[in-house]
Amino acid sequence: GDSVTQMEGPVTLSEEAFLTINCTYTATGYPSLFWYVQYPGEGLQLLLKATKADDKGSNKGFEATYRKETTSFHLEKGSVQVSDSAVYFCALSDPLNYGGSQGNLIFGKGTKLSVKP
Amino acid sequence: GAVVSQHPSWVICKSGTSVKIECRSLDFQATTMFWYRQFPKQSLMLMATSNEGSKATYEQGVEKDKFLINHASLTLSTLTVTSAHPEDSSFYICSVPGGAWRRETQYFGPGTRLLVL
Repeated sequence: GDSVTQMEGPVTLSEEAFLTINCTYTATGYPSLFWYVQYPGEGLQLLLKATKADDKGSNKGFEATYRKETTSFHLEKGSVQVSDSAVYFCALSDPLNYGGSQGNLIFGKGTKLSVKP
Repeated sequence: GAVVSQHPSWVICKSGTSVKIECRSLDFQATTMFWYRQFPKQSLMLMATSNEGSKATYEQGVEKDKFLINHASLTLSTLTVTSAHPEDSSFYICSVPGGAWRRETQYFGPGTRLLVL
């Protein structure tokens, strides 16, 4: 079945450091890929997404490129801030895997990022 | 963007009691809402799809008589954990799809943490 694997945390970085959070996936069809972020005490928010191969999603300085050849969607940011401290979830939505829940999101386990000043 | 609220944010109950969790879409009407469950350091797992005006659709392995879902209105869905046991202790999260036919952009509530003693 479809699945998402992302690097385990926690990840601790100093402010202005470069961030990479790895994410790979398996899917039967042509999934859309997402990164969600959960700030402390808040619900998950969509950070960025890509719907087809070679698409690059970007938002708030974060980027991720949909790599079909490596089945990856790694999250990157060139210079992290303390305010980026959160849990980041990689997810996919496979249109061939509807089941009883069209648009079902399949999540990775989440990676906690802590940025120190 | 859409705002989704959940109530309560956390609850502690005795084994054998029932607990009701509310999910409200504050910004727009939602004919569909999703209920997820998250164990510590695990992925979010879709439990069921709540449908306004019809029965909920449950994922494989989820007991529909255990987790009662009622989509009372276009802005409210409730999840009732009946006869709760310690193994039901978890983090329950609802979401409202905000996109078009693929419903791939979901807006998440802040979650409800349930602890069954």
